[in-house]
Amino acid sequence: DIQMTQSPSSLSASVGDRVTITCRASQNINNYLNWYQQEQGKAPKLLIFAAASLQSGVPSRFSGSGSGTEFTLTISSLQPEDFATYYCQQSYNSPRTFGQGTTVEIK
Amino acid sequence: QVQLVQSGAEVKKPGASVKVSCKASGYTFITYGFSWVRQAPGQGPEWMGWISAYNGNTNYAQKLQGRVIMTRDTSTSTVYMELRSLSSDDTAVYYCVREAGTESSGYYFLYWGQGTLVTVSS
Repeated sequence: DIQMTQSPSSLSASVGDRVTITCRASQNINNYLNWYQQEQGKAPKLLIFAAASLQSGVPSRFSGSGSGTEFTLTISSLQPEDFATYYCQQSYNSPRTFGQGTTVEIK
Repeated sequence: QVQLVQSGAEVKKPGASVKVSCKASGYTFITYGFSWVRQAPGQGPEWMGWISAYNGNTNYAQKLQGRVIMTRDTSTSTVYMELRSLSSDDTAVYYCVREAGTESSGYYFLYWGQGTLVTVSS
């Protein structure tokens, strides 16, 4: 199975901050990498697919980059509604594995 | 609009089975496959397997092989996930997820059901 490792596991940031979350795959997954946001008690929501494609309706302050084994999710200017947990997930092969999550907390 | 409506919460004893349903609407059912994803308390999501709504083909996570069965009913646009021989480790919220994407972009989890809490306790 492909292992997905996110860093950091949690971070504290202020409204307006630029935030970057890293996801590393245990093997080359090309650009088959997706990012989700999960608010407490809700289902995950797709933000980014194919490493860098912004899902329709997602604010442009979210962006993704990377290929191969290293990927990043960037929030250019953190908003109050962005405090949540973020997961990366590979769709290169089965089983479709997720990272352990990065929780973004209010500083 | 696409909607996935799952069945309600379940409480089961160890060793029992549970069957969760997910009714889809708002699009042509057989066009897309479904995955089931579960999330134990305080943990990240875990992919359980996939079923083709078109022909019923399945692909299960190896760790659940022999315990999980995914089926679909095209007449009611519903997919089902049955998990057998439950233990406390199976306590989780179970989500049905409709996929989207292509071979070139890869497939991603676009539409999620509301989740079904399954609690396994003696």
